[in-house]
This record gives sequence, C-alpha cells and structure tokens, in this order.
Amino acid sequence: EVQLVQSGAEVKKPGESLRISCKGSGYSFTSYWISWVRQMPGKGLEWMGRIDPSDSYTNYSPSFQGHVTISADKSISTAYLQWSSLKASDTAMYYCARHGQLGFDYWGQGTLVTVSS
Amino acid sequence: EIVLTQSPGTLSLSPGERATLSCRASQSVSSSYLAWYQQKPGQAPRLLIYGASSRATGIPDRFSGSGSGTDFTLTISRLEPEDFAVYYCQQYGSSLPFTFGPGTKVDIK
Repeated sequence: EVQLVQSGAEVKKPGESLRISCKGSGYSFTSYWISWVRQMPGKGLEWMGRIDPSDSYTNYSPSFQGHVTISADKSISTAYLQWSSLKASDTAMYYCARHGQLGFDYWGQGTLVTVSS
Repeated sequence: EIVLTQSPGTLSLSPGERATLSCRASQSVSSSYLAWYQQKPGQAPRLLIYGASSRATGIPDRFSGSGSGTDFTLTISRLEPEDFAVYYCQQYGSSLPFTFGPGTKVDIK
C-alpha cells in the first residue's frame, strides 16, 4: 500500500528554523517526484515546489523560491521541507504529494505549522 | 505562470442533482496534465481526474472530466451526500510553476 506519512504538528516562534518530513512507503521512492503544497487557514492550495528523489533535482514556485528548501534522503525514502527563519505568515497546513504523469495521486496527511510569538 | 480560474465559486445543489464545474486557464494547458481534486474539511485533497478526462483509481463513474486548451469541466452526474466538498483544478505538467485554481465549493442547497 502506497503511503506518505508526514511529521507531526509544530508550534514555532518567528525567526526560528524548522524542518518537516514526508516518508514514503509501498512504492519505489525514487520513481516519482514529491511536491509540497501549502494551504493557509481557510484558503486554497498552493504548489511550493518539487524534488526528484533519485537525484535531488528541485524546482520551486517563484512565490516560495529563497524562502524554503526542499530536500530528500533516498536512503530512508524521506523528503523534507525546511525554513531557516519562520514568519507568522508561514502558519499553514503543509502537504506532501507524490506525482508523475497521472497527477498528484497520493498525499500525506498534512503537517500543521503554527508560527506565533 | 498559468493562472486557473474556477467558476462558480460556490454551487448550491441538492443530492441527486447534476453538478458542472468550470476551470479556465490563462493559456493553453496540455490535456495530459490537467487534474481535478476533491477536498473535504480536515482531509488532504484526493485525486479524482487526471489527463483532463481519466478517472483515478477507485473514483466512481459519476465523476467525469472533459475539455481541452483553456476550458475544462468536471461533471458530477448525480450528487451523493459524500460529494459535498471543495473541488480544485490543477495544471501539473504544461509549465512550471504548477498551479491550482481557487476552488469551487459544492454545498447542500
């Protein structure tokens, strides 16, 4: 069974760093891209960027380039989303999703990140 | 960046009725890379349609997708109680960045 399991909810202060994770199982982790998607409270879905776990090649949305870093460790089938300095506006639910030509077919359960002083 | 516009913003219908949701792109999207997702409160999105018209695994045949170029449609032939949710279209391969539409909420009339 294909699964993407994300790390748990986080509460952080502005300026702090954070890394959240997404562990894939039940499929060949290096055969599909992993994307990260943001959903701010009560809002729609925003694509942040993606990584090819086979070689860690990344693409970012211009809206997120320079503010987050996407990485992966194929040896443990895990992708990461990282911030070096969080802002209150980073408060959101973050989803990882697997995708290929057939759309974003499997999603993680989401990680809620709350940034508040 | 390809901008996707969805209409209507909210669709109020009764169970058993037909729902027609529209997604328009600011420039042509390859039909191979247009998807529709359903999201219910507190849940992750679920893939319904990929390639504009192919149903994802396990999706009931009351869901169908159509369209090409800049105009795409998701149709739910007869609404079931579990279909009341928010629906998003997405282009995921025509060009980067991938983009989602703002969503259409289908609620109970």
